[in-house]
Amino acid sequence: GNSVTQMEGPVTLSEEAFLTINCTYTATGYPSLFWYVQYPGEGLQLLLKATKADDKGSNKGFEATYRKETTSFHLEKGSVQVSDSAVYFCALNRDSSYKLIFGSGTRLLVRP
Amino acid sequence: GAGVSQTPSNKVTEKGKYVELRCDPISGHTALYWYRQSLGQGPEFLIYFQGTGAADDSGLPNDRFFAVRPEGSVSTLKIQRTERGDSAVYLCASSISGRAGDTQYFGPGTRLTVL
Repeated sequence: GNSVTQMEGPVTLSEEAFLTINCTYTATGYPSLFWYVQYPGEGLQLLLKATKADDKGSNKGFEATYRKETTSFHLEKGSVQVSDSAVYFCALNRDSSYKLIFGSGTRLLVRP
Repeated sequence: GAGVSQTPSNKVTEKGKYVELRCDPISGHTALYWYRQSLGQGPEFLIYFQGTGAADDSGLPNDRFFAVRPEGSVSTLKIQRTERGDSAVYLCASSISGRAGDTQYFGPGTRLTVL
């Protein structure tokens, strides 16, 4: 079946450190891939997305590249800030499907 | 408002009671989705509306759950005979058309607690 696997958290980093949150997926066909972020006390927000292989999504200094050969969509940021502290969710929807399938989320804590 | 809104933000009820959760999507969005998020997990799909009709209700866990969208805008998720296992955050999302790859915009959720 279709699924998303994320690295378990929490991930604790110091400000300005490099961030990687791993995400791999299992899906038939050519899914679209998403990263959503949930800040404390707020709803889920789309952070970035990629709809085909080798596409790179980017937003707010975050990047993720759709790698079909490794079925991965790892999230990276070169220099994290305290304000990036949140829960990050990787998700997919299969081609011709509207359902989002989410990973279990990775909590990021950035210390000053 | 510009975003998806949900009411109430919190609902506490007793086992066996009936509850209704409301979602106001972004104006002009034809597609509306309900998801459920248990503690420490990612959201799980419940039901999808395209316009007024439920195009896919395969995620509803059993027949105690039902949702409507009578005028193609506001939607209500209804849960009968609530059980403690129904406790979760219920999320609503909308998108402009419902195509794969469309961005889904989420509301803040309703936290349901069944005592």
